[in-house]
Amino acid sequence: DAKTTQPTSMDCAEGRAANLPCNHSTISGNEYVYWYRQIHSQGPQYIIHGLKNNETNEMASLIITEDRKSSTLILPHATLRDTAVYYCIVRVGRNSGNTPLVFGKGTRLSVIA
Amino acid sequence: EPEVTQTPSHQVTQMGQEVILRCVPISNHLYFYWYRQILGQKVEFLVSFYNNEISEKSEIFDDQFSVERPDGSNFTLKIRSTKLEDSAMYFCASSVGRSQETQYFGPGTRLLVL
Repeated sequence: DAKTTQPTSMDCAEGRAANLPCNHSTISGNEYVYWYRQIHSQGPQYIIHGLKNNETNEMASLIITEDRKSSTLILPHATLRDTAVYYCIVRVGRNSGNTPLVFGKGTRLSVIA
Repeated sequence: EPEVTQTPSHQVTQMGQEVILRCVPISNHLYFYWYRQILGQKVEFLVSFYNNEISEKSEIFDDQFSVERPDGSNFTLKIRSTKLEDSAMYFCASSVGRSQETQYFGPGTRLLVL
């Protein structure tokens, strides 16, 4: 089973920041937090991942709390194309390159014009 | 940008028939995976493959399923005798290797078993 808890759905106005929370209170020290999204039954798309430091790339920012029990994915300027199901996944890190991803139900983000 | 490709995009088959789903992973990747998603349900792991052998498989991956890397580029999933409940989207994924865990997914094959 997934080790994360996410809200079922969220709305966000186009152009505003979308902040998607994730709880992972049982995360272990060697487990990373990964975010993927799935746009309308397409293949899951990798967004970002982190261990304990905040991370940023061209798609999003990932804020992980100091105790690592929760995190927030931030899409700084949401567009209609960001409407998707967003999955927060906790996964064992290095030297476990073939660890399967365990998907939960994710958060369905609807970006509204 | 390199990407995982899958063929066919859609496949319709009769119950009991064999199907082969094909994937071309990203060229320098060493780990390969199959996942499936039944309509309206979660994405589920089926199997991972490394160095020409199965690394891990889930309970779903029973004797009806097999995987193969027949040449240097393709990675296939075979379902020997399809059942109605095999109808799903099947996603292939690949990752570079042990120190790079990010898995990149293909667009999927939609399998419909009648």
